[in-house]
Formats: sequence, C-alpha cells, structure tokens
Amino acid sequence: GDSVTQMEGPVTLSEEACLTINCTYTATGYPSLFWYVQYPGEGLQLLLKATKADDKGSNKGFEATYRKETTSFHLEKGSVQVSDSAVYFCALADSWGKLQFGAGTQVVVTP
Amino acid sequence: DAGITQSPRHKVTETGTPVTLRCHQTENHRYMYWYRQDPGHGLRLIHYSYGVKDTDKGEVSDGYSVSRSKTEDFLLTLESATSSQTSVYFCAISESSGNSPLHFGNGTRLTVT
Repeated sequence: GDSVTQMEGPVTLSEEACLTINCTYTATGYPSLFWYVQYPGEGLQLLLKATKADDKGSNKGFEATYRKETTSFHLEKGSVQVSDSAVYFCALADSWGKLQFGAGTQVVVTP
Repeated sequence: DAGITQSPRHKVTETGTPVTLRCHQTENHRYMYWYRQDPGHGLRLIHYSYGVKDTDKGEVSDGYSVSRSKTEDFLLTLESATSSQTSVYFCAISESSGNSPLHFGNGTRLTVT
C-alpha cells in the first residue's frame, strides 16, 4: 500500500542555519503530497502542498518540490528561526483520498 | 483556527471502561476523521466519515467505533479501553477528500491505566 518515509529526528540546528527534512513516498498513481507542522500542545497545521509532479509548494519560507522520478518531497528552509521548532510531518493522499502520514521529524532550533 | 473542538482535552480511565471522545465542528465540512498519534508512528487513521451516518474504517479501527448523527459532531468510542489505546487522539475535518487540506483539533490525551 501507499506509504511515506521521512528522516528520523530530532534535528537540532542553530538559528539561521539551513534545514532539510527528507521525505520519500511509495504510491500507486500520482498522489498529492503535503507537509504539516505541529507546534507543542497543538494539532497539525498544513504547511504546504503539491498536487502534481514538478510542482513546488511554499509557505513561510519553507519549500518542497514534488519529484516523481525520485518519489521525494523534501522540505527545505534557508534560514530557520527559534519559532520553527516543531514536529514536521510529510503526508500523501492515497488513492482513496485519505492521508497517509510519515512518522514525523522533530526540529529543535537553538538561539 | 478552523472551528474544531475536541472534548475532553485530557482523560484518565481504567482498563475495561467505555470511553467516548467528542469532536464538534462549526465549518459544515463533509469529511471528519479520527487519528491517533503515537511516538514513531506519526498519525494513524482510526475511522472517518464522509457524511451523516456514513462512516468507514481506517488503518487501526479494531477496538473503536464511531457515530455521526449530525454534520457537526463525530464521536469516537472505545467500547472497553485497553492500555494499548493510551494515545493522543486528533479529530480532523476537510471539505472534500484527496487534495483538500485537513484542519485538526487540538487533541485529546487519553491515558488508560
């Protein structure tokens, strides 16, 4: 079945460093891909999405490009802030329209 | 925030007791979902609903039942709670399936002792 694999955390980095969180997927067809973010004590929020190959989703300085050839959707940000500390989830919409989530990657940004 | 309220926010219960968690939305969205979140597993779908009285099982539905008698309310019931059901439960809503983003509630932390 469809699945999502993302890099394990925690990822710890200093403010203004570059962030990359790897995400790869296995799916039949061409699923829509998403990144969600979860701040402490809260539910998940949609960060960005891409619905077809070569689409780039972007929001709040984060970007991810839908790469069909490598079945990847890596999340990147060029300069992180302490406020970016959160858990990030990669997800795909499976052939029945339901979301399959990766295990999540905790990001800790220190001043 | 999308208008999603989960209740209770925290609950401690004993093994073998029934537990009902409630999700209430004010967005009039058709789709509603119950997920559980556990370390190392991300979020796993328990049950979902695509309309009033229309529900279906997700990936980890054993031991859970749901009901949706009104558009705005989606109830998750643990008929006889077990320690393996200790988790954080999230309700989510969406306008449609597939490309529509999910909007999540703030979760219910359930501890089964």
